[in-house]
Amino acid sequence: NAGVTQTPKFQVLKTGQSMTLQCAQDMNHEYMSWYRQDPGMGLRLIHYSVGAGITDQGEVPNGYNVSRSTTEDFPLRLLSAAPSQTSVYFCASSRSGTAPSGNTIYFGEGSWLTVV
Amino acid sequence: AQSVAQPEDQVNVAEGNPLTVKCTYSVSGNPYLFWYVQYPNRGLQFLLKYITGDNLVKGSYGFEAEFNKSQTSFHLKKPSALVSDSALYFCAVRDKGSNTGKLIFGQGTTLQVKP
Repeated sequence: NAGVTQTPKFQVLKTGQSMTLQCAQDMNHEYMSWYRQDPGMGLRLIHYSVGAGITDQGEVPNGYNVSRSTTEDFPLRLLSAAPSQTSVYFCASSRSGTAPSGNTIYFGEGSWLTVV
Repeated sequence: AQSVAQPEDQVNVAEGNPLTVKCTYSVSGNPYLFWYVQYPNRGLQFLLKYITGDNLVKGSYGFEAEFNKSQTSFHLKKPSALVSDSALYFCAVRDKGSNTGKLIFGQGTTLQVKP
């Protein structure tokens, strides 16, 4: 089982460039999300989606866009990269809903992004 | 505010000895608690979770965790540590204060198992 697949794993961008981090899951999960991991800040939620066509903002959405055209895919777009967006990005998915539940959230392998 | 605390930045243990990685939480109502492990340059792998029922939860790779409601703790344990257990461990709780479905993570604890 592939689970949650992210690409690319490593990327270096110049300030002002745009790019898309890809995320796909093969578990038919309705809920998908993006986190960023920074030293001393832990993991913070960027955006999330409860199903195809539905997205919403998390804690740190500025500078990022998402879309959810299919259940499987949830790409994260950096509109104009800034050094502050240097981070490790994780895509995650789980079974339905945002209501607090015991559904396990599964993470991808991460995308290491450096903005110079 | 809901929160998770991992009071130790690093835990060192000798191979073959028991290990404990500590986690305390602050959540209104009954918590949904999780442990994840992260190996270098890898993603977070789910280890185990507590939803309800038995306070002792068994998970992957021989790990277990004990839920203690009175002490608001969810410590991760393993009876006999392996060098390959060396990694970064995160405790997390499902957020009940928002409708985002997010996990609230502790700061992480680095486990170092020495031969």
